[in-house]
Amino acid sequence: AQSVAQPEDQVNVAEGNPLTVKCTYSVSGNPYLFWYVQYPNRGLQFLLKYITGDNLVKGSYGFEAEFNKSQTSFHLKKPSALVSDSALYFCAVRDRSSGTASKLTFGTGTRLQVTL
Amino acid sequence: DARVTQTPRHKVTEMGQEVTMRCQPILGHNTVFWYRQTMMQGLELLAYFRNRAPLDDSGMPKDRFSAEMPDATLATLKIQPSEPRDSAVYFCASDWENTEAFFGQGTRLTVV
Repeated sequence: AQSVAQPEDQVNVAEGNPLTVKCTYSVSGNPYLFWYVQYPNRGLQFLLKYITGDNLVKGSYGFEAEFNKSQTSFHLKKPSALVSDSALYFCAVRDRSSGTASKLTFGTGTRLQVTL
Repeated sequence: DARVTQTPRHKVTEMGQEVTMRCQPILGHNTVFWYRQTMMQGLELLAYFRNRAPLDDSGMPKDRFSAEMPDATLATLKIQPSEPRDSAVYFCASDWENTEAFFGQGTRLTVV
């Protein structure tokens, strides 16, 4: 069975400082990895994905994520946080080796709070 | 601007009533997911379809929940009878061939 762990319920960071939101995953095969963001009373919005290739993936709004196969991690990062980045962030995984359309499994989410 | 459309956005119903939620996936997408979001459980996968065929509905309470895709442009999630514990936000998402999924705005269900 595949799973995603987001060990931090909340991350607090001051505006202008770098941020990291952690994610580790477990799949039996090779992973597709995703980050989504959710603002209040909205659906989830896609931020970025890792499929194959370069381990550093760049996405929307200045976010990036680094795939580390040995540590089975896919941490979300941004060099300089903005107050408007405050939201709920979800990491998700699919098993690339499953052939047919594979299940998309989400972590429990991490609330990012950016303060002035 | 392609998007996943869910209706209704909000639904308040009495316990025991039937609830039907609808989802129009993005045109051309062949995979549709139904998720439920609550504060306690987070995002739970209820069911998903590929090319209109159900692949996994193990996340749904079978006695009261049912999910179907009558055609490629419509997915439905029904609850009969509804219970207060079903109160949640229900999301539909769609994608093409294991790429990133796009989410609808959700249906906020309140069962009183």
